[in-house]
Amino acid sequence: DIQLTQSPSTLSASVGDSVTITCRASQSISTWLAWYQQKPGKAPKVLIYKSSTLETGVPRRFSGSGSGTEFTLTINSLQPDDFATYYCHHYSTYPWTFGQGTKVDIK
Amino acid sequence: EVQLVESGGASVQPGGSLRISCAASGVTFNSEAMTWVRRAPGKGLEWVSGISGSGGVTYYANSVKGRFTISRDNSHNTLFLQMSSLRAEDTAVYYCARSANLIKHLDSWGQGTLVTVSS
Repeated sequence: DIQLTQSPSTLSASVGDSVTITCRASQSISTWLAWYQQKPGKAPKVLIYKSSTLETGVPRRFSGSGSGTEFTLTINSLQPDDFATYYCHHYSTYPWTFGQGTKVDIK
Repeated sequence: EVQLVESGGASVQPGGSLRISCAASGVTFNSEAMTWVRRAPGKGLEWVSGISGSGGVTYYANSVKGRFTISRDNSHNTLFLQMSSLRAEDTAVYYCARSANLIKHLDSWGQGTLVTVSS
């Protein structure tokens, strides 16, 4: 199975900051990677797919990059609505897996 | 607009069985691959199972293989997850989600249904 390792596990930031979350795959997954945002008590919401494609309706302050085994999610100018938990997810081969999550909280 | 609504979550004893459902609307259901993902208390997301639009292809996580069965009724736009030999570690909120096919990301999610396995 392909393992995804996210870092950091927790990130403290202020409104207006730029933050970057990293996701490393245990083997190459090309660009078959998505990023999701989840808030307490809510369903996950896709932000980025195919490593760098922004989902319709997602603010442009979110961006993704990477290929192979190394990926990043960047949030520019953090907004109050962005404090949440973020997960990477590979859909390269079955079984699919998720990273363990990165909680972005208010400093 | 796509709507996915899960139901059937309940409290079950260890070793018991339960079937949860996901009703879909706003989609051409028989052309959409569907997936179950769960989140245990205090843990992250875990992919559980996926099924093709026709229902002919299914995949399972190692943690549930042989105990869970995914299926669908395309005439009623409904996805199912039959769970048996339930364990405490199966306690989670179960989400259904859809993708365009079995090699696409999950672009729509339901709100989840809670399954609790406890004596």
